[in-house]
Amino acid sequence: DTAVSQTPKYLVTQMGNDKSIKCEQNLGHDTMYWYKQDSKKFLKIMFSYNNKELIINETVPNRFSPKSPDKAHLNLHINSLELGDSAVYFCASSPSDRLDEQYFGPGTRLTVT
Amino acid sequence: TQLLEQSPQFLSIQEGENLTVYCNSSSVFSSLQWYRQEPGEGPVLLVTVVTGGEVKKLKRLTFQFGDARKDSSLHITAAQPGDTGLYLCVPNPRGTSYGKLTFGQGTILTVHP
Repeated sequence: DTAVSQTPKYLVTQMGNDKSIKCEQNLGHDTMYWYKQDSKKFLKIMFSYNNKELIINETVPNRFSPKSPDKAHLNLHINSLELGDSAVYFCASSPSDRLDEQYFGPGTRLTVT
Repeated sequence: TQLLEQSPQFLSIQEGENLTVYCNSSSVFSSLQWYRQEPGEGPVLLVTVVTGGEVKKLKRLTFQFGDARKDSSLHITAAQPGDTGLYLCVPNPRGTSYGKLTFGQGTILTVHP
């Protein structure tokens, strides 16, 4: 009965590689998000999609490209990984009428070596 | 930009003690959420407060929204080791934010058995 799931849980890769993180929610929500949490625990929003359309796109390098094949899925693809990309990435979702009540996935810890 | 201060930043207490975490801002908010993030997990929504002066209780946790809707507090009675985690208050500005939550640094609570 997982609500928001992410794969993989851990990802270790070398600089310059391309990787993807997948997210799925079974809550029936229309809106999904990607957040990045740095080593100091600051959570910062990266992207938000509503019904497969991009509505929030923060100042994120264009090496990061979200893709939403349907409203239950929001994937994050990262090209040419850099050391500074190491962080925990969280996917979240919320109902459209309560955007501030977000449900988070377990996170993906990305380590770039 | 809103100025949000959460205090204390770190709190280490013994099981059975009481504690209060504060969240203050110079801005007025339409609502505010409290989240808890346990180690290795994503944030979990605890409560949403909407009305100035509102008090909500969740078992041993008591949440209060200030009369002027600029501040909030979380009080935990008889803390238990299971309360250990990062507590985040997330204010929502008036008007449309499209779900763009602004997380602060939070309060890292450690409850020792």
